[in-house]
Amino acid sequence: QSVLTQPPSVSAAPGQKVTISCSGSSSNIGNNYVSWYQQLPGTAPKLLIYDNNKRPSGIPDRFSGSKSGTSATLGITGLQTGDEADYYCGTWDSSLSALDWVFGGGTKLTVL
Amino acid sequence: QVQLVQSGAEVKKPGASVKVSCKASGYTFTGYYMHWVRQAPGQGLEWMGWINPNSGGTNYAQKFQGRVTMTRDTSISTAYMELSRLRSDDTAVYYCAREGIRWFGELLSNWFDPWGQGTLVTVSS
Repeated sequence: QSVLTQPPSVSAAPGQKVTISCSGSSSNIGNNYVSWYQQLPGTAPKLLIYDNNKRPSGIPDRFSGSKSGTSATLGITGLQTGDEADYYCGTWDSSLSALDWVFGGGTKLTVL
Repeated sequence: QVQLVQSGAEVKKPGASVKVSCKASGYTFTGYYMHWVRQAPGQGLEWMGWINPNSGGTNYAQKFQGRVTMTRDTSISTAYMELSRLRSDDTAVYYCAREGIRWFGELLSNWFDPWGQGTLVTVSS
């Protein structure tokens, strides 16, 4: 059971838009910055979004991030078959009298 | 370019230990914390802890305290993660990842970039 809750799967047609939610609490998302990672099949995760909404160089502007209260959202527009991957949110959590990094359970994106 | 290259796959018996290496290149090794994350087959990402390559200081996730040891050798820009008393449920791909950091006043933003290619550790009798 992950501290951050993501939908297990989302799907949409090529060219469409999809959003992936990441729900937490005041001990994690509510008081910390969120980053997002894309994991293509059989590969290591790759940074997509940091500082809640910033894209590293090389990440297309089809990918966006936002945060409101204790939830964060990853948006992907103009879906391509190459976007099929698992997506993870992550941030610090201070709920267990320690400061641990936590990931969401991951969301599998299917481009139909 | 910034790159993290990990050691090869390992097969270990229950109760044994494994040590995975992560060689950094393209940046100042002592300038960035290094984190370790694992992923069991078909499962999500699980954070294990970090090491400060400059001081050698560490912080481990509570789940792994007492079983994990993170070290570094600054002369060869390499970080290590050793996990002891291995069990079958330690079978996973282990990743190292460099921490990015930015301060916003008193708030800190962190992220992981880049990641190593991963090292598969299989624990089986």
